[in-house]
Amino acid sequence: GDSVTQMEGPVTLSEEAFLTINCTYTATGYPSLFWYVQYPGEGLQLLLKATKADDKGSNKGFEATYRKETTSFHLEKGSVQVSDSAVYFCALSTNFGNEKLTFGTGTRLTIIP
Amino acid sequence: ETGVTQSPTHLIKTRGQQVTLRCSSQSGHNTVSWYQQALGQGPQFIFQYYREEENGRGNFPPRFSGLQFPNYSSELNVNALELDDSALYLCASSSRVLTGNTEAFFGQGTRLTVV
Repeated sequence: GDSVTQMEGPVTLSEEAFLTINCTYTATGYPSLFWYVQYPGEGLQLLLKATKADDKGSNKGFEATYRKETTSFHLEKGSVQVSDSAVYFCALSTNFGNEKLTFGTGTRLTIIP
Repeated sequence: ETGVTQSPTHLIKTRGQQVTLRCSSQSGHNTVSWYQQALGQGPQFIFQYYREEENGRGNFPPRFSGLQFPNYSSELNVNALELDDSALYLCASSSRVLTGNTEAFFGQGTRLTVV
């Protein structure tokens, strides 16, 4: 079945540091890939997505590139801020007409001033 | 444009009881999906409703059931509650178009504690 593996957290960085959160996946067919973010006390928000190989999703300074050859979708940001502290989930969707999302376990990110 | 709203935000139930969680989808959306997020885990797909019918189900027992109403709002019902049902239940709404579903928008969730 479909699955998503994320780097284990928690991750603690200083403000303005470079961020990478690794994500790899297993899926049949050609999945769409997503990063969701969950701020404390809030629901999930879509951060960025990519629907085909070599696509790059980007939003709010975050980027991720769909790498079919390595089945990866790593999240990166060049300079993190305290406001980026949250839990980040990598997810995929493969079913046309029923786009159920398969999520990773999440990575908690804490940014220290 | 209203967002996805869920009620209640928190509740506590006793093992063996039944619970109903509610979700109002975002304006213009016709599809609702439910997810269970256990503490420290990613959300797990329970099922999806489209046009008032179940359209896909995850690996959850039949005591998890749902409804979708003509206004596209939805309910999640769980019978015979077990301690392991304690989790955050998330509702997501989207819109079915010819090329698939649009982006899913999530509510803030209902935190269910079973004691």
